[in-house]
Amino acid sequence: KAGVTQTPRYLIKTRGQQVTLSCSPISGHRSVSWYQQTPGQGLQFLFEYFSETQRNKGNFPGRFSGRQFSNSRSEMNVSTLELGDSALYLCASSLASSYGYTFGSGTRLTVV
Amino acid sequence: KNEVEQSPQNLTAQEGEFITINCSYSVGISALHWLQQHPGGGIVSLFMLSSGKKKHGRLIATINIQEKHSSLHITASHPRDSAVYICAVPNRDDKIIFGKGTRLHILP
Repeated sequence: KAGVTQTPRYLIKTRGQQVTLSCSPISGHRSVSWYQQTPGQGLQFLFEYFSETQRNKGNFPGRFSGRQFSNSRSEMNVSTLELGDSALYLCASSLASSYGYTFGSGTRLTVV
Repeated sequence: KNEVEQSPQNLTAQEGEFITINCSYSVGISALHWLQQHPGGGIVSLFMLSSGKKKHGRLIATINIQEKHSSLHITASHPRDSAVYICAVPNRDDKIIFGKGTRLHILP
């Protein structure tokens, strides 16, 4: 069966722009969570969606937002990009948070 | 103090050696995850466990809930096991907290 698909794989944006990343979960998975990975901070939890509702949110500014559609696909948006937003953004899907996660390959965002 | 501590940070070993990576946490958890990340960024979920021990091939994960400690063992290590191993736990608010990772390098 298809895994978790993230698009695009790579992205270069300029400071001040906004960006939208997409995550298609494994079919049947209703939970989608997003993570940011930087060399300095490691992996950090951004937010989790379940059945179109944000169930949990990490400690990130309001410039980071997300949503989940009825088909469980999720998008995350970062507005007014800063250099420090350069990172690997990973999403993971699960049947529910008490089950194991399947991670996508990530989107590597570079802000210049 | 980090809520999730891993040790060692870096580990280099010879092919065939028995490997142990440790994870200690201070948060209350429902389940602990072990993840593997290869160069290039791809992350694979290895185990999710809430008690006892799980085994998958040459990988074994154990957890002691009372001591808030988990270990990941690799038997008969191989160069293809070279990766960063990360443990992750949900805290009381169900937010996932990650360890900083253990960078493992297996020499042929």
